[in-house]
Amino acid sequence: SQQGEEDPQALSIQEGENATMNCSYKTSINNLQWYRQNSGRGLVHLILIRSNEREKHSGRLRVTLDTSKKSSSLLITASRAADTASYFCATNDRGSTLGRLYFGRGTQLTVWP
Amino acid sequence: DAMVIQNPRYQVTQFGKPVTLSCSQTLNHNVMYWYQQKSSQAPKLLFHYYDKDFNNEADTPDNFQSRRPNTSFCFLDIRSPGLGDAAMYLCATSNWSGWAWDEQFFGPGTRLTVL
Repeated sequence: SQQGEEDPQALSIQEGENATMNCSYKTSINNLQWYRQNSGRGLVHLILIRSNEREKHSGRLRVTLDTSKKSSSLLITASRAADTASYFCATNDRGSTLGRLYFGRGTQLTVWP
Repeated sequence: DAMVIQNPRYQVTQFGKPVTLSCSQTLNHNVMYWYQQKSSQAPKLLFHYYDKDFNNEADTPDNFQSRRPNTSFCFLDIRSPGLGDAAMYLCATSNWSGWAWDEQFFGPGTRLTVL
């Protein structure tokens, strides 16, 4: 069953703008992960943030985690047309077995040239 | 490069005709997962293996079976595919770092069409 919920469901921006996607979840977590999926392809891991971390960066990506609000955000700065994809958050819950992940429905990001 | 490979990338089968999807990994990870993803939906975990220990999700239909003959390979068998089983099937792997679970690495997926 689903744990994370992404917001918005769809986001459309121009190249060069920043894109922010949010994720809310319901239970206590070990970590939260963001994945990217191009149409008809597999998921590509972007960033893993652990429950004791508040912010992580990777290139143009910035992820924040607020465990008190049970929410996370993914910021893509200076977006490019090639960033067009679906972005999923997934949680590894405390007490879950074997690194099990619960995925949200995703945010479809479209970046126009 | 270490990776997760899925074969075939596209599979067409007929209603009720058994089909097997294949996944292999060169990462030497001890856990392998199978997900089903339907259009515009979240990936849904079907089952996962820790080494040879099999873990089935409670709502995975009996029509779906899995085998892991060794660390590198894992198979998804759909015994009698129905139209509702048409989906993308994703294989992933992960590892226990000693104190936490690492991220999951996904294969490119197999797109199953049921005629």
